[in-house]
Amino acid sequence: NAGVTQTPKFQVLKTGQSMTLQCAQDMNHEYMSWYRQDPGMGLRLIHYSVGAGITDQGEVPNGYNVSRSTTEDFPLRLLSAAPSQTSVYFCASSPLAGGMHEQYFGPGTRLTVT
Amino acid sequence: TQLLEQSPQFLSIQEGENLTVYCNSSSVFSSLQWYRQEPGEGPVLLVTVVTGGEVKKLKRLTFQFGDARKDSSLHITAAQPGDTGLYLCAGVQAGTALIFGKGTTLSVSS
Repeated sequence: NAGVTQTPKFQVLKTGQSMTLQCAQDMNHEYMSWYRQDPGMGLRLIHYSVGAGITDQGEVPNGYNVSRSTTEDFPLRLLSAAPSQTSVYFCASSPLAGGMHEQYFGPGTRLTVT
Repeated sequence: TQLLEQSPQFLSIQEGENLTVYCNSSSVFSSLQWYRQEPGEGPVLLVTVVTGGEVKKLKRLTFQFGDARKDSSLHITAAQPGDTGLYLCAGVQAGTALIFGKGTTLSVSS
């Protein structure tokens, strides 16, 4: 199993550009989520999904869109990038059974917006 | 408002020393997790504690969940350079998403 995969590994955008961060998991997990990690701020939840067709906002959703058309994929879209979105982005998945929310993280995408 | 407070924020020690990292909250959690993150990688789950007062051991790492399920600690015995990394605690509250603390950065030098 590949676990959770993320592409790209690194990305540089200009202000106003759009892009999609890809995330896929092969563990058949129902729950998937996106976090951003900034120095001194820890991991902050952007959006999450408890299954295909269901998404919800986390702590810092503004400027980001998500969709969940399949169990495996959970892309994160930046519609108009801003310098404040410079961060490291992590996708994670978790089985819902048991209610433990034990997260399996991808390797991250380091995004710089100039 | 940060629901999960981790302390210390930074810790730099010599190989062989013992250390304890704390994760505190005024809220009750149904379970609490500890993750370790190495530079350039995603966090990796170390342990989940569920029952108040529960103690779990993972080689030289000892994890404890407070009796009231509001706090937890991670104790490392005889730290090694391979223990270097960011240690994150995360709490689960009923009906909400996982909440992460800001982490403790540990540096162990030989």
